[in-house]
Amino acid sequence: KAGVTQTPRYLIKTRGQQVTLSCSPISGHRSVSWYQQTPGQGLQFLFEYFSETQRNKGNFPGRFSGRQFSNSRSEMNVSTLELGDSALYLCASSALGQTSYEQYFGPGTRLTVT
Amino acid sequence: GQSLEQPSEVTAVEGAIVQINCTYQTSGFYGLSWYQQHDGGAPTFLSYNALDGLEETGRFSSFLSRSDSYGYLLLQELQMKDSASYFCAVPGANNLFFGTGTRLTVIP
Repeated sequence: KAGVTQTPRYLIKTRGQQVTLSCSPISGHRSVSWYQQTPGQGLQFLFEYFSETQRNKGNFPGRFSGRQFSNSRSEMNVSTLELGDSALYLCASSALGQTSYEQYFGPGTRLTVT
Repeated sequence: GQSLEQPSEVTAVEGAIVQINCTYQTSGFYGLSWYQQHDGGAPTFLSYNALDGLEETGRFSSFLSRSDSYGYLLLQELQMKDSASYFCAVPGANNLFFGTGTRLTVIP
């Protein structure tokens, strides 16, 4: 089975712009989660989608949003970018319906905001 | 709220055994997961303990004590390729809450 894929792998944006990141989960996985990883804050949960519904959201401002399509692919969007949004954004998929302790991560999108 | 405490860094010698501890404070505890992340790589799932006791997977073992709100990851016969960051994590309501991570350096 192919793993989780994320596009693009690297992105450079300017403050104030917006960005859309894409994630394709492992085939058959219906749960997709997004995380932000920074050296200072570690891995922080952004949101989780299952069957096109957002089931949980982390403590991030409304500038961070996401969606999931009927084929389980997911996108996340960050509007009005700030310097502090520079991070590695990781997507993970899971075959489990709830309490997903076993997640499979993609390689991430490295976002740099200048 | 939730908190997971891990040592920030650990150094060990190739061939030795190392233990990475994790103490947690969380509501609605289901179990404890462990993930490994090499520099520039994605986190990969190592193990999950839902019940108290030791779970062994090859050179890696993971332990959980619910009464002590404590767990650890044990790595035996350390290899240079084990140099990585290790995270404990607790599953919640459709999310995974990660600890701060422990950077393991294996030296010859």
